[in-house]
Amino acid sequence: GAGVSQTPSNKVTEKGKYVELRCDPISGHTALYWYRQSLGQGPEFLIYFQGTGAADDSGLPNDRFFAVRPEGSVSTLKIQRTERGDSAVYLCASSLETGNNEQFFGPGTRLTVL
Amino acid sequence: KNEVEQSPQNLTAQEGEFITINCSYSVGISALHWLQQHPGGGIVSLFMLSSGKKKHGRLIATINIQEKHSSLHITASHPRDSAVYICAVRSPRDDKIIFGKGTRLHILP
Repeated sequence: GAGVSQTPSNKVTEKGKYVELRCDPISGHTALYWYRQSLGQGPEFLIYFQGTGAADDSGLPNDRFFAVRPEGSVSTLKIQRTERGDSAVYLCASSLETGNNEQFFGPGTRLTVL
Repeated sequence: KNEVEQSPQNLTAQEGEFITINCSYSVGISALHWLQQHPGGGIVSLFMLSSGKKKHGRLIATINIQEKHSSLHITASHPRDSAVYICAVRSPRDDKIIFGKGTRLHILP
């Protein structure tokens, strides 16, 4: 498809487990962003990549969160030792470059930690 | 206080009404975005603007840089406009986007 895709669409896991969330950006988009949206809140920035490198990871809440983009396309957000407070919708967006370029959002992955 | 404030938080209106959603921000910005989020989470970008006014169909977005305020208007509202509308600003310093909490709009038929 032409848009940003994210898998899985829903993930239910138990406290303490490890999860991986995947984002496929629009082909050719060099910038990729991860956001987290808790219920009733706007999205919050987690990390963004320019190409393969994490240009800014200051939004990652703690060291249980990690993201990679090894080939500058698909990105994986990894969460270790999940906690109930990690439950949220994780949104990915991509844009042609950083700067004032429109970001195109994926449908999100709804993570529920029991 | 949040850096991006939206009002109202919730809005219910009858089909056909003119809708206004407001956004105020307290930081310097390089651009302001209006986004639409439907149930299920998908986000669609409606407008990106840094000055003046933009129009797309029944949607109009305005921004006043001096007053740090933007409005999103919907003319001849329709039940399919029901969604959460999010205002977001881009920081010129670090290029991050800061989101408002959103305005939940419900248009009754």
